[in-house]
Amino acid sequence: DIRMTQSPSSLSASVGDRITITCRASQGISIYLAWYQQRPGKVPKLLISAASTLQSGVPSRFSGSGSGTDFTLTISSLQPEDVATYYCQRYNSAPLTFGGGTKVEIK
Amino acid sequence: QLQLQESGSGLVRPSQTLSLTCAVSGDSINSDGHSWTWIRQPPGKGLEWIGYISQTGNTYYNPSLKSRVTISVDRSKNQFSLNLNSVTAADTAVYYCAKALNWVGFDPWGQGTLVTVSS
Repeated sequence: DIRMTQSPSSLSASVGDRITITCRASQGISIYLAWYQQRPGKVPKLLISAASTLQSGVPSRFSGSGSGTDFTLTISSLQPEDVATYYCQRYNSAPLTFGGGTKVEIK
Repeated sequence: QLQLQESGSGLVRPSQTLSLTCAVSGDSINSDGHSWTWIRQPPGKGLEWIGYISQTGNTYYNPSLKSRVTISVDRSKNQFSLNLNSVTAADTAVYYCAKALNWVGFDPWGQGTLVTVSS
């Protein structure tokens, strides 16, 4: 099965900082990658599909890129409401594996 | 607006069967070609995909759970269900249902329901 590895597992940054989260697939998955945001105590929310397509209503400071095995989620200017755990997920074929998550905190 | 709501027993004895239902409202479960899925999250841990059922009724399961899982759909009641047998404490988690949009991802999600496995 294809494994999804996220790094870092956690990060702390200041408001306004640019942050990047990486997701690596153990085999190529084309662009069939989604990113989710899970705020503390809340339900996961789909942010990005097809590696780079922002879902409706998602702030433009979020962006995604990549294809094949290496993907990134970038927040261009970190805001307090972005405190959350972010998960990548492949969906090219079953099993639809999630990455282990990246916890983002404010310094 | 499509909404999903999980229901079922919040406490299951070890070795018994966990049964949950996801009620779909705001649209018909038959209305398009997408699939319906279950995900779980143990306390303090990450997300684990359990499986999904397609529009045609085909099912796909996480290999780590495949021998114990059944996902089914009741189109007359606009709902789909999860059965997980022979549960242990390791199956304690918040269980979410979601719509699996083809080539997009999971959206929307239900609110989740905590299932505790304990005697």
